[in-house]
Amino acid sequence: EPEVTQTPSHQVTQMGQEVILRCVPISNHLYFYWYRQILGQKVEFLVSFYNNEISEKSEIFDDQFSVERPDGSNFTLKIRSTKLEDSAMYFCASIGPEAFFGQGTRLTVV
Amino acid sequence: QKEVEQNSGPLSVPEGAIASLNCTYSDRGSQSFFWYRQYSGKSPELIMSIYSNGDKEDGRFTAQLNKASQYVSLLIRDSQPSDSATYLCAVNRDDKIIFGKGTRLHILP
Repeated sequence: EPEVTQTPSHQVTQMGQEVILRCVPISNHLYFYWYRQILGQKVEFLVSFYNNEISEKSEIFDDQFSVERPDGSNFTLKIRSTKLEDSAMYFCASIGPEAFFGQGTRLTVV
Repeated sequence: QKEVEQNSGPLSVPEGAIASLNCTYSDRGSQSFFWYRQYSGKSPELIMSIYSNGDKEDGRFTAQLNKASQYVSLLIRDSQPSDSATYLCAVNRDDKIIFGKGTRLHILP
């Protein structure tokens, strides 16, 4: 079965620090997404990425967020200056056409 | 109107019975429809996808799609305690997959 890999599984960071969440999507997929799930809430779309550029982003995805695919395999989500409300599970999904999710990164901002 | 709506539950179903989960969506341009299962603290796991009107069966799971009514459902036959989870309905519109809030299902032993 296809597998999406995310690292780290859990990250604790101080408010104001930068974090980078990493994902290795399924190799022959072309669309990659980041989603966020705050504890007890729904899975929220953040951004989609196609052909090495952002194809769509939500209102959550403000200037503090960025994505890139630096080496053709890894797909990263960077949060420049974390806030307490950024604490959530962050899921990477690889689309082709169903979404296959990584195991998630639990981000805790203290 | 929310893009994808589900009853949050919890839906309690006796073991061995049929669990019925429902979802409505607002955009008639939606092209494909998915059901995901999510255990607490885990990532969503795809269990069914459906693209055309009618029923699609896979083991104990049956997905039903009615595009005219903008309605998707998931039936789980012979419910097991391991089916207790949150079930997420998702809709693909213009290559963006939008999730409902999910329905919590509790199978009573």
